[in-house]
Amino acid sequence: DAKTTQPPSMDCAEGRAANLPCNHSTISGNEYVYWYRQIHSQGPQYIIHGLKNNETNEMASLIITEDRKSSTLILPHATLRDTAVYYCIVSSLQGAQKLVFGQGTRLTINP
Amino acid sequence: NAGVMQNPRHLVRRRGQEARLRCSPMKGHSHVYWYRQLPEEGLKFMVYLQKENIIDESGMPKERFSAEFPKEGPSILRIQQVVRGDSAAYFCASSQMMSTDTQYFGPGTRLTVL
Repeated sequence: DAKTTQPPSMDCAEGRAANLPCNHSTISGNEYVYWYRQIHSQGPQYIIHGLKNNETNEMASLIITEDRKSSTLILPHATLRDTAVYYCIVSSLQGAQKLVFGQGTRLTINP
Repeated sequence: NAGVMQNPRHLVRRRGQEARLRCSPMKGHSHVYWYRQLPEEGLKFMVYLQKENIIDESGMPKERFSAEFPKEGPSILRIQQVVRGDSAAYFCASSQMMSTDTQYFGPGTRLTVL
């Protein structure tokens, strides 16, 4: 699976949009981009995933560049409860879909 | 629809004892994955199982660790003769199908070895 690179930490003001970048320059054609977050020591929570097109759900939006080498997770109106470690993961369509977690981005939402 | 359930949530064992961690996947899910998170580290894949089959155990330590997912009942991660280095959070995830289906995680079992 392709490797991802994320900034170790970010801050965002409550109520503002939080934009979390991820680089995955070695991504291959059959690999999806997944985003999970881990709030404190809880189990990872699925946020969103995509292949080529931008995606949106009730939690977030995922913007994937045309060359697929990077993506941005957008939390449109961040709240204090969004403080967490956010993981960007690239996972293959084929075979056992084991997720490879990096160090992620520690996002802190400030009041 | 209940999520992934894990029990116990906290488990304390003395060195040399056995630890059994249970995972009940979401309803309709037949694929189970176990991950381990050591203190201050990221999650690491351990094993991927389907009913009665181990599909990928490339992340499992070679000794003392085993996993099963029987036809009936929860998936079990078993650690024999625990050592202090086994202290960690163990998370189970489940998915509906192998292909692109999303993995949903349980709340984890925190194992402490005294």
